[in-house]
Amino acid sequence: DAMVIQNPRYQVTQFGKPVTLSCSQTLNHNVMYWYQQKSSQAPKLLFHYYDKDFNNEADTPDNFQSRRPNTSFCFLDIRSPGLGDAAMYLCATSRDLRTGGEQYFGPGTRLTVT
Amino acid sequence: DAKTTQPPSMDCAEGRAANLPCNHSTISGNEYVYWYRQIHSQGPQYIIHGLKNNETNEMASLIITEDRKSSTLILPHATLRDTAVYYCIPDREGGSEKLVFGKGTKLTVNP
Repeated sequence: DAMVIQNPRYQVTQFGKPVTLSCSQTLNHNVMYWYQQKSSQAPKLLFHYYDKDFNNEADTPDNFQSRRPNTSFCFLDIRSPGLGDAAMYLCATSRDLRTGGEQYFGPGTRLTVT
Repeated sequence: DAKTTQPPSMDCAEGRAANLPCNHSTISGNEYVYWYRQIHSQGPQYIIHGLKNNETNEMASLIITEDRKSSTLILPHATLRDTAVYYCIPDREGGSEKLVFGKGTKLTVNP
C-alpha cells in the first residue's frame, strides 16, 4: 500500500546533540510537510517542500532545518535540541499545493530530549 | 482563515451514530471544510471535505448548512476504533499550503 513512513518511531537525544528524523513516501506526491505536535496540543506546521522549493513558516525556529534530496525522502534536522523541542514530529504529503487540504500523514516520531 | 468552534468532548455509544458539530461562521466563499481525525499516538487521518453540498464516503458523511456557517460530521455506526480527536479545518479552494489545526473534539465511543 502507498504510504508515508517515518523512522524511527521513537527517538531519544541529549540536550544540544543534533538529531535527524526521516520521512519517506511511496505516494509520489509533490509536497511534503513537517509538523510539530507537543503534548495535548494540535499539530503545528514547521515547513514544507513543494518539489525542491522550501517554504519555512515565519515562526519556525532557526534550530529546525529540512532537506529533501529527492521526491521520496524528506529529513528534519534539529541542530541543537532543547528540552522544549520534545514533541511528536509528523510528516505529511499532498499531491500538490492545489490539493493541499488533503494531506496524508505518517505515524510520527516521538522525540525525547534528556 | 476562518475560525472554528468545536465542542471539546463528546461521547457516543458503540453502534450509534456520532454527530460532530463545527461552527465556522466566518468561512469565506472559496473555503472548503476539511475534517481530519487523530487516534491516540498516531498521525492525523483525512476523513472528508466539502464546499456547499453534502458529501459521503466510506468513512463518514458531511452535512454543510445552506449558509455554510456550520457543518456536522456523521459517523453512521461508531465503533470503539473511532475514538479520536476530530478536527474541522476550513481551507481555501486551491489550498493554502498549510492546515491550521484547532483544538478539535475528543470523541469517546463507549461499549
